[in-house]
Amino acid sequence: EAQVTQNPRYLITVTGKKLTVTCSQNMNHEYMSWYRQDPGLGLRQIYYSMNVEVTDKGDVPEGYKVSRKEKRNFPLILESPSPNQTSLYFCASSLEATWNTGELFFGEGSRLTVL
Amino acid sequence: AQSVAQPEDQVNVAEGNPLTVKCTYSVSGNPYLFWYVQYPNRGLQFLLKYITGDNLVKGSYGFEAEFNKSQTSFHLKKPSALVSDSALYFCAVRDLYSGNTGKLIFGQGTTLQVKP
Repeated sequence: EAQVTQNPRYLITVTGKKLTVTCSQNMNHEYMSWYRQDPGLGLRQIYYSMNVEVTDKGDVPEGYKVSRKEKRNFPLILESPSPNQTSLYFCASSLEATWNTGELFFGEGSRLTVL
Repeated sequence: AQSVAQPEDQVNVAEGNPLTVKCTYSVSGNPYLFWYVQYPNRGLQFLLKYITGDNLVKGSYGFEAEFNKSQTSFHLKKPSALVSDSALYFCAVRDLYSGNTGKLIFGQGTTLQVKP
């Protein structure tokens, strides 16, 4: 089954404790992206990757890091989480040929709470 | 700046009645417009898109949307609502000014509640 898999789905952590949210897709997509969803704000892009070893900042990259060492994986790293990073996070992917027409495939989300 | 607005936080409709979820946009140039649906505890799912061509676009689950350039709107519609349509709906526009980022600009979302 074609899918984007995120882990963990739910996490409660404390300020300053490094964490990684993993994202993996099995569709051989070249484009991957991270969004955060906050009430009343919709979804905002954090980082994106056009291909392996090619990443760039989105609209709200502060406090996050990413890496793209393999095509299928695109982990989101919070080096020192803070309470304002409490949010619902989505990983998304798309074929290179279709990314510019916006048909993204989303993971099921990771709800992060930072105390 | 490009933006998307969904003026209603929630839309309530009775099962079997037609539904409309509103979306307006602000872009320079020709917009690429999309609708996504999010069911509880799930990720977003693509419903339909308008790139060019016919202003009435048909998508998944019987949904359609009408592109209106003069009113800068892209309202989502369905002739007969189902209880199972209850979900959070997002309108989005592709950001044509951010280069090749693939970024979508999302509205704030509208909760659709269909009552039996």
